Amino acid sequence: GIQVEQSPPDLILQEGANSTLRCNFSDSVNNLQWFHQNPWGQLINLFYIPSGTKQNGRLSATTVATERYSLLYISSSQTTDSGVYFCAVEGLGGGSNYKLTFGKGTLLTVNP
Amino acid sequence: NAGVMQNPRHLVRRRGQEARLRCSPVKGHSHVYWYRQLPEEGLKFMVYLQKENIIDESGMPKERFSAEFPKEGPSILRIQQVVRGDSAAYFCASSPGGSYGYTFGSGTRLTVV
Repeated sequence: GIQVEQSPPDLILQEGANSTLRCNFSDSVNNLQWFHQNPWGQLINLFYIPSGTKQNGRLSATTVATERYSLLYISSSQTTDSGVYFCAVEGLGGGSNYKLTFGKGTLLTVNP
Repeated sequence: NAGVMQNPRHLVRRRGQEARLRCSPVKGHSHVYWYRQLPEEGLKFMVYLQKENIIDESGMPKERFSAEFPKEGPSILRIQQVVRGDSAAYFCASSPGGSYGYTFGSGTRLTVV
């Protein structure tokens, strides 16, 4: 099946810093989403971004489907940004469609 | 427009009891998916349902686990005779079908004591 690798696995920032999280995937995808799992365990959808660039406030994401990677940018980080960031992809077919395959996540800690 | 609603948020069961997890999809979504997050692991697909049909249950353990999405009411994930290894966070997602992405609920945290 499709493989998803996220880097870095852990990241510690001071409040106000910027960061870039990366997601590599092994095959063509129909769908790619970024999620934030907060310290309370809730899974929050950040972006649906199978290709192109999107921005939402201090967060933006870019997916280069032809090169099989996606980047999540967090600017001016805040302590509330802490948590685990997951990238999840849905393959094009062959039993991969409609199933999201999640990466292992990036654990972000933002210190005041 | 409420998102995906899961209840209960937390569930504690003794070994051997049954656990019933409920999921109400986004209004208008007819596709429901269940995922499990074991401690220190990412989320893994369990089952995909449409109204009154199980489309793919390839990620669900063959024994003790079952899922349904009736014509009326929420989707139910049922775990019979729970064991400690079933302790995990169970997430439900829904979609309208097609390439529109998936909306996840806040999850149910099952603890088996």
